[in-house]
Amino acid sequence: EVRLVESGGDLVQPGRSLRLSCAASGFTFDDFAMHWVRQAPGKGLEWVSCISWNKNNIVYADSVKGRFTISRDDAKNSLFLHVSSLRAEDTALYYCAKGGSHVCLSARFHNWGQGTQVTVSS
Amino acid sequence: DIQMTQSPSSLSASVGDRVTITCQASQDIKNYLNWYQQKPGKAPKLLISDASNLETGVPSRFSGSGSGTDFTFTISSLQPEDIATYYCQQYDNLPFTFGPGTKLDIK
Repeated sequence: EVRLVESGGDLVQPGRSLRLSCAASGFTFDDFAMHWVRQAPGKGLEWVSCISWNKNNIVYADSVKGRFTISRDDAKNSLFLHVSSLRAEDTALYYCAKGGSHVCLSARFHNWGQGTQVTVSS
Repeated sequence: DIQMTQSPSSLSASVGDRVTITCQASQDIKNYLNWYQQKPGKAPKLLISDASNLETGVPSRFSGSGSGTDFTFTISSLQPEDIATYYCQQYDNLPFTFGPGTKLDIK
């Protein structure tokens, strides 16, 4: 059974940083691209970032480019999102999601974690 | 960016009703369109991929159709457990974008 478990969310002040983690199990992690998707309170879904299976393709939404960094550790079956220069509008539940194949463009999100909450407030 | 619109934004229907949600893309996305169901407090669940491909384990009352810019999601006979918000999502081009959602409840 595929399982994705996010952690690392917190209440932080504007301008600060966090590292979000996603522990994966139940599938061959290094065969798949992995994504982050976020959802602001009471709002819809926003795709944030993707890293391909071999780390050669990394893409970001314009809203986070230059501030967020996606990475993965295949030895630990883990996905990360380093979020920096946080703004109030980054407040959201951050989900990790398994992609449909090894490339980012196969963005069928078959499996999701339960999310980790990031709240940016002074 | 490709803009996705959905209608209606909310919908109230009775058990057993046929329910239809439409999704429109701002440009041709071929069939690179997914539909998700999100129940309150839960993560989204992929129901349909590639516009019309029903995911394994998803009840056959759910279906999808369309290509290009216009897509339709249908529940043939609404069940109480179908109460949720439904999102379409395109993956023809980066950034991947979602529709604003359709909130479905029981009349």
